[in-house]
Amino acid sequence: GAGVSQSPSNKVTEKGKDVELRCDPISGHTALYWYRQSLGQGLEFLIYFQGNSAPDKSGLPSDRFSAERTGGSVSTLTIQRTQQEDSAVYLCASSSRQGRYEQYFGPGTRLTVT
Amino acid sequence: QKEVEQDPGPLSVPEGAIVSLNCTYSNSAFQYFMWYRQYSRKGPELLMYTYSSGNKEDGRFTAQVDKSSKYISLFIRDSQPSDSATYLCAMQDTGFQKLVFGTGTRLLVSP
Repeated sequence: GAGVSQSPSNKVTEKGKDVELRCDPISGHTALYWYRQSLGQGLEFLIYFQGNSAPDKSGLPSDRFSAERTGGSVSTLTIQRTQQEDSAVYLCASSSRQGRYEQYFGPGTRLTVT
Repeated sequence: QKEVEQDPGPLSVPEGAIVSLNCTYSNSAFQYFMWYRQYSRKGPELLMYTYSSGNKEDGRFTAQVDKSSKYISLFIRDSQPSDSATYLCAMQDTGFQKLVFGTGTRLLVSP
């Protein structure tokens, strides 16, 4: 079946602009995660959605970052007033409720802030 | 100090060698341990996961967890050039959903 998809695959934006990154999880997966991967830093947890529960936003680095998940499926990560330090690969993952430790990742969106 | 430490490499081996990849961690609450493989410009791919201590084998791959030492390993037997990738260890506390990752070890297998 189809895996996790993300769009766009690459995004170049000017400092100060807002960007939206999209994630389509695996069909039937109720949990959705956003991570950020910076050069030499590994993957950093950003936010987690599970069904209709309130999201875990504990990893968001600042209030410029927000995310929503509509209809329990597609998610959008929004970064307002982008800064150069926001340049990274943004990865989305999903998992079934039963196998939450088995997270399946999308290909990522490579964000470059100039 | 990071919760999960992993040598970034690169680790270069000839084809057919046995590869040992390792991570150490500081949080004794971690119960689930995963290994992901990531090819260049791709998302991480789940290779193996282990609950608590012990060994798990899947084909050429063996994962080991030693909770007393807070040390996990991934062994790759008969390594192939197609194994060349970055290997990320990840861990999870049963009370939390997020994965905590190591920085990844870059592996290069030469023909």
